[in-house]
Amino acid sequence: SAVISQKPSRDICQRGTSLTIQCQVDSQVTMMFWYRQQPGQSLTLIATANQGSEATYESGFVIDKFPISRPNLTFSTLTVSNMSPEDSSIYLCSVVGDNGKLFFGSGTQLSVL
Amino acid sequence: AQTVTQSQPEMSVQEAETVTLSCTYDTSESDYYLFWYKQPPSRQMILVIRQEAYKQQNATENRFSVNFQKAAKSFSLKISDSQLGDAAMYFCAYRSAGSNYKLTFGKGTLLTVNP
Repeated sequence: SAVISQKPSRDICQRGTSLTIQCQVDSQVTMMFWYRQQPGQSLTLIATANQGSEATYESGFVIDKFPISRPNLTFSTLTVSNMSPEDSSIYLCSVVGDNGKLFFGSGTQLSVL
Repeated sequence: AQTVTQSQPEMSVQEAETVTLSCTYDTSESDYYLFWYKQPPSRQMILVIRQEAYKQQNATENRFSVNFQKAAKSFSLKISDSQLGDAAMYFCAYRSAGSNYKLTFGKGTLLTVNP
């Protein structure tokens, strides 16, 4: 299984600011994903981040709001830009392991005031 | 588009007893994967069990087993000999068998284990 570290684990931010979340994996992975879990809700895929190409965003999510970087096969960042209280959520990164199973980081709890 | 439905927002079970969590899904695809994930208060999403749609045999992982009914599009999770550490939110998830690893999740079932 892949070991995934996410930073920060939680943060409280002011509206209008931006937060960058980091996801570090202990092995090289081709596909990484960013999910959002709004309070009391299920997980929704934001985008797929493959190294060497632009991230692919799901319906309802745009690059200007959630820019993603994927500089190498073990690291990715998600930025939540121009935050509003509606962005208060848990953000999780996920990777595909060698056996095709998906593993998740421990998430970033974001609160926007 | 695929949908996943978990009709039980909350369930409770006595320690050492057995509980079954329900999940139904809708898809027009014939080849896919189904998953149960556990999310304790730590927020970590932990894979509990995976079922390949082409396999008739139900998956099992120690105290966790599934009842996969492909024709009925049903995928329930049975937890035997429940332990206090099983208390968590449980999510059922669907993934197509293609190269896109996107997961579609249900809304979750909150499981409480009573001592």
